[in-house]
Amino acid sequence: DGGITQSPKYLFRKEGQNVTLSCEQNLNHDAMYWYRQDPGQGLRLIYYSQIVNDFQKGDIAEGYSVSREKKESFPLTVTSAQKNPTAFYLCASSLTGQVGELFFGEGSRLTVL
Amino acid sequence: AQTVTQSQPEMSVQEAETVTLSCTYDTSENNYYLFWYKQPPSRQMILVIRQEAYKQQNATENRFSVNFQKAAKSFSLKISDSQLGDTAMYFCAFMKLSTGTASKLTFGTGTRLQVTL
Repeated sequence: DGGITQSPKYLFRKEGQNVTLSCEQNLNHDAMYWYRQDPGQGLRLIYYSQIVNDFQKGDIAEGYSVSREKKESFPLTVTSAQKNPTAFYLCASSLTGQVGELFFGEGSRLTVL
Repeated sequence: AQTVTQSQPEMSVQEAETVTLSCTYDTSENNYYLFWYKQPPSRQMILVIRQEAYKQQNATENRFSVNFQKAAKSFSLKISDSQLGDTAMYFCAFMKLSTGTASKLTFGTGTRLQVTL
């Protein structure tokens, strides 16, 4: 089945450690996105990528980094510079021409202790 | 910058009844799209309905329809004949027209809808 796979589903880390969240899609979509979801704040865009080896900052990129070495993969690293990393992270992808139709993964819940 | 406001954090509706979720937005753009996304308890978000700003006709998808008032910058979602499976968080979203391939959406804070028996 085609879709987006995020892993891990739950992740616990100590303060000061970098963490990498995985996102893989087999939908052959060109664009991929990372959103952060916090209670009462909706979804906020962290980074997005329109094509392999290219990505742009979203609204809250500070303390995060990404890479896009393959079309299928768009991992997100939450660095120690992110001041409040505990959140629910959603990865999404979209097909060129399908305006605004994002396909989402099931999310990764990161808790920093 | 665009902002999307959903003023109803929670709503409840009885099965088979109709419910309307509100959304307002602020933008200086003239060409844009508006969306409603649904996030059920399983957490996987899906697109419910899409509206192009240049179209005057309100979008409809089965039991879901919108009331798009461009001058008032209002975009409400009506769910008719509510079903238990409609229980979810609903997000309103805005996207300005762009030449790139990516769909950069700005989301509201969401409305949690509970459908009861």
